[in-house]
Amino acid sequence: DTAVSQTPKYLVTQMGNDKSIKCEQNLGHDTMYWYKQDSKKFLKIMFSYNNKELIINETVPNRFSPKSPDKAHLNLHINSLELGDSAVYFCASSQVTTAYEQYFGPGTRLTVT
Amino acid sequence: QQQVKQSPQSLIVQKGGISIINCAYENTAFDYFPWYQQFPGKGPALLIAIRPDVSEKKEGRFTISFNKSAKQFSLHIMDSQPGDSATYFCAAKAGANNLFFGTGTRLTVIP
Repeated sequence: DTAVSQTPKYLVTQMGNDKSIKCEQNLGHDTMYWYKQDSKKFLKIMFSYNNKELIINETVPNRFSPKSPDKAHLNLHINSLELGDSAVYFCASSQVTTAYEQYFGPGTRLTVT
Repeated sequence: QQQVKQSPQSLIVQKGGISIINCAYENTAFDYFPWYQQFPGKGPALLIAIRPDVSEKKEGRFTISFNKSAKQFSLHIMDSQPGDSATYFCAAKAGANNLFFGTGTRLTVIP
């Protein structure tokens, strides 16, 4: 069984479009995250979210917004896509008490043309 | 600003050798230091983690050495195998759920 799943695995779109990436975890974790990994493999947290609090990395443009319909899902919506948004986006989850132990999804490679 | 500095950027080791990856930090609020392993096309996966009140932790062939006074920690992979070829990230946790990653080390183990 897949612990953290993401769809789609690949996403190719044009500048200016709006797109969403879905994430689901079946680990019963209470906290979920979105990370961006750029072409140099640098991994940067974008958001962390549990049922109490959304923490947004201040460097993330407000074109990016997480949406959580329930504890097991945290989707990433991106408005007005730009070339610089091209990257691999990872969803992850953990228990808030062991946040150093995060379980990552397989990633979504986003290419903006 | 890079919260966790990692070196080297890439590392080539002969099979059976020791791989050593180093990380340094400044923020004394960090309270947990995990290492993650990432294979191509996959998400990172937790390898081993250490608390700052412990100087060394060993799990199989993987050992973390932690020097609190120097604000440095390192990953040692003993008897390195071709299957260990991956990108390794050190990280540091601050607050409830903020994990800061190093820039990654691409390890290649030559048969």
